[in-house]
Amino acid sequence: GQQLNQSPQSMFIQEGEDVSMNCTSSSIFNTWLWYKQDPGEGPVLLIALYKAGELTSNGRLTAQFGITRKDSFLNISASIPSDVGIYFCAGQLHPGNTPLVFGKGTRLSVIA
Amino acid sequence: DVKVTQSSRYLVKRTGEKVFLECVQDMDHENMFWYRQDPGLGLRLIYFSYDVKMKEKGDIPEGYSVSREKKERFSLILESASTNQTSMYLCATQTGASGNTIYFGEGSWLTVV
Repeated sequence: GQQLNQSPQSMFIQEGEDVSMNCTSSSIFNTWLWYKQDPGEGPVLLIALYKAGELTSNGRLTAQFGITRKDSFLNISASIPSDVGIYFCAGQLHPGNTPLVFGKGTRLSVIA
Repeated sequence: DVKVTQSSRYLVKRTGEKVFLECVQDMDHENMFWYRQDPGLGLRLIYFSYDVKMKEKGDIPEGYSVSREKKERFSLILESASTNQTSMYLCATQTGASGNTIYFGEGSWLTVV
């Protein structure tokens, strides 16, 4: 099945730094979602994007739905130790009942 | 809040055993999914269901089957477990409406020895 290209695969950053990660695809997506997975847990939704160009924030997190509808990015500002985890992007190719397509994840490590 | 409950967090089974992973949701969602997650491979869709008694194969259905007798419950079945099915299994739900997100359970860690 199709997968999204998510980068970087992993990041090691200092506490307080800003973080940026992105997902790209050759296909046009209808919806972009960002999830975070803590170790040993299931992914939890962070931000959902439904319109091209949409920019949405959730606390220190900001995500954008690319104008071309083929990409999305997630930024985390002023990182803290509890930001550690795996971040996944997900997209829906068509509206209605089609399964999401997932990126392989970005593993974030924060050094205090 | 959406609650997706996976019955077993950690299981150890022997090769050849039949394994049942249960998932229950309390939000009356039409759509339910089973994924497996392996390091470096991300989330891979095994099976999904858009209605009771309905099922569709995902990307990696081989070695698995599913059952959806009631709307709130979606079971993943490993007919004869093998070591290459050692993995983290995630159940997820979604409303049937367009543009809605999916919600995951906490995951079930299965080890086949």
